[in-house]
Order: sequence, then structure tokens, then C-alpha cells
Amino acid sequence: NAGVTQTPKFRILKIGQSMTLQCAQDMNHNYMYWYRQDPGMGLKLIYYSVGAGITDKGEVPNGYNVSRSTTEDFPLRLELAAPSQTSVYFCASSSGASYGYTFGSGTRLTVV
Amino acid sequence: DQQVKQNSPSLSVQEGRISILNCDYTNSMFDYFLWYKKYPAEGPTFLISISSIKDKNEDGRFTVFLNKSAKHLSLHIVPSQPGDSAVYFCAATAGSARQLTFGSGTQLTVLP
Repeated sequence: NAGVTQTPKFRILKIGQSMTLQCAQDMNHNYMYWYRQDPGMGLKLIYYSVGAGITDKGEVPNGYNVSRSTTEDFPLRLELAAPSQTSVYFCASSSGASYGYTFGSGTRLTVV
Repeated sequence: DQQVKQNSPSLSVQEGRISILNCDYTNSMFDYFLWYKKYPAEGPTFLISISSIKDKNEDGRFTVFLNKSAKHLSLHIVPSQPGDSAVYFCAATAGSARQLTFGSGTQLTVLP
């Protein structure tokens, strides 16, 4: 019973590099979300999806892109990494029948 | 502009006593409120929730109170246990895609 799986757990990027944070869920949830958490701050919504093929911007989308080609996967793409993107990234999913999310364990990203 | 605020970054209580965590919000459109608990190096886990049509919801040792006129909610933990030591996030939603807006969190430490 994996739930929400995020890879990698840790990554160090150089300024200007690109990478994709992977997120997969095995609960057949339609709703998926990407949040970032900066030190001492709450989680801020980057992008979300209400189903395969449908994505929308959250509060802090600049510098990121997403795609949702299947129900299971919701990758987050960082293009031209900047130090301001140093953060912990959480992926979450929800069935939509309740408001509770299931979160992954996070990806700690450092941009140097 | 923070729509969900947790003004106490930290709280310490003795084991067996009551823990009260507070949360204020500004958006009158929020219709559902949740509390999440987070341990280090893990994703947040759902704890308890309350609809805006209620003023209290209980689940074992955890009770959430909602005061709509004051735009305030609180989480009561009775009795507090050392395993409750974690960061607690308040969250609220108003969107059809169930996007959550999070507070900045309160670090609860329960002393043995």
C-alpha cells in the first residue's frame, strides 16, 4: 500500500539546471497537488490537477510546469533552477470525496 | 497576504495536560477547515476536520472548535502525550478543486 510516492528524496541542483520531481499515487485519486514548504512557512500551492489532462496554477507557479497524462502520475518540472526554488516539495492526492489529502514524504531540493 | 494565520510558532505543554493550538483566517469563503500533523522528514498527515456549518468536531483526544464570527478555530488535544510532539498545520478550503490554504504551523512539544 504505497500511497503517494515522491522521487528523489534529496537533490542538489546548480543554478540554471533543470529537473523533474516525480510523484505517483496508487489510490486512483483524481485530484493531485504540488506544494512547496519554505523554512518557518506553511505550504504554498504550486500547481494542481483535477484529473488526467487537466492542470491549473496555484499560488506560486512561476518557474514550474506540470503535466498529467495519467491518473497516477503528476510530475513537476523545474526549468532554469534558481536559489529561490530551494525548498521542500510535497505532492498530495485526494479522492475528492473528502477534503483530506494524502501527502508524499517530500523532496528536499537545494539550488546552489 | 496570509489568509490563514497561526500566530504561535511554538507551544510547550506537560504530558497529560491540554494542548490548545490556534488558527485565524480572513477569507469568508472558506467552508471547510482541517488540521494536519507533521513529523520531521515526513509529509503532513490528516488529523481532523470541521465543516463551516458546525462549531465542534471530536475524534478521540482531538477536538476542533470553529468560531465563524471571529474567524477563528482551535485544536484541543486532551490529554497530551509525548508522541503528539510535531508541527501542526491549520488549513482551509473554498475551491471546487479542494485546494487547501495552509497556515505557517505551530511546533508542539509535549514534555514528559
